[in-house]
Amino acid sequence: EPEVTQTPSHQVTQMGQEVILRCVPISNHLYFYWYRQILGQKVEFLVSFYNNEISEKSEIFDDQFSVERPDGSNFTLKIRSTKLEDSAMYFCASSGQEQYFGPGTRLTVT
Amino acid sequence: GENVEQHPSTLSVQEGDSAVIKCTYSDSASNYFPWYKQELGKRPQLIIDIRSNVGEKKDQRIAVTLNKTAKHFSLHITETQPEDSAVYFCAASKAYNTDKLIFGTGTRLQVFP
Repeated sequence: EPEVTQTPSHQVTQMGQEVILRCVPISNHLYFYWYRQILGQKVEFLVSFYNNEISEKSEIFDDQFSVERPDGSNFTLKIRSTKLEDSAMYFCASSGQEQYFGPGTRLTVT
Repeated sequence: GENVEQHPSTLSVQEGDSAVIKCTYSDSASNYFPWYKQELGKRPQLIIDIRSNVGEKKDQRIAVTLNKTAKHFSLHITETQPEDSAVYFCAASKAYNTDKLIFGTGTRLQVFP
């Protein structure tokens, strides 16, 4: 069964550093999403992406965040200058008949 | 804004009992309501979903009901087993395959043997 994959599984970074989280959506899906989940809290929508552009973004997705589909398979989330409060699990998802979630990247900002 | 409320936040049941989790959504344009199960440190996994043209859907021990007028939907798990222990999230969306999911706050279900 096809799966959404994400790398790395865990990323530790210092405050102010840039991080790039990578995702490979399911190959025939057209809609891609990033969500985040702060420890012990609900899953929150960050951004959706379709046809090589952002289709919707939440208030969380400010100028520090950007997304890109650099080639035909990868979908990346970049955080330009990380803050302590960016520490969370970041999930990528892609949708076909349902939204399939990747295993997540745990981002720890110290 | 769009919001999904979920109750209870924790639920403890004895093995074999039933569990019910309830959600309320605010956006009347929502028409797709999935339920996800999340085990510790893992990704959310879809267990059942319902679309607004249906009032109830069942899959073995799991059922979901939807009341569009009241903007309520519920998850029912019968004959609970210890392996049902997890956090359950409801969500709402305007389209099952092209729109974001708005998640509820989650219910931690514990099933005691």
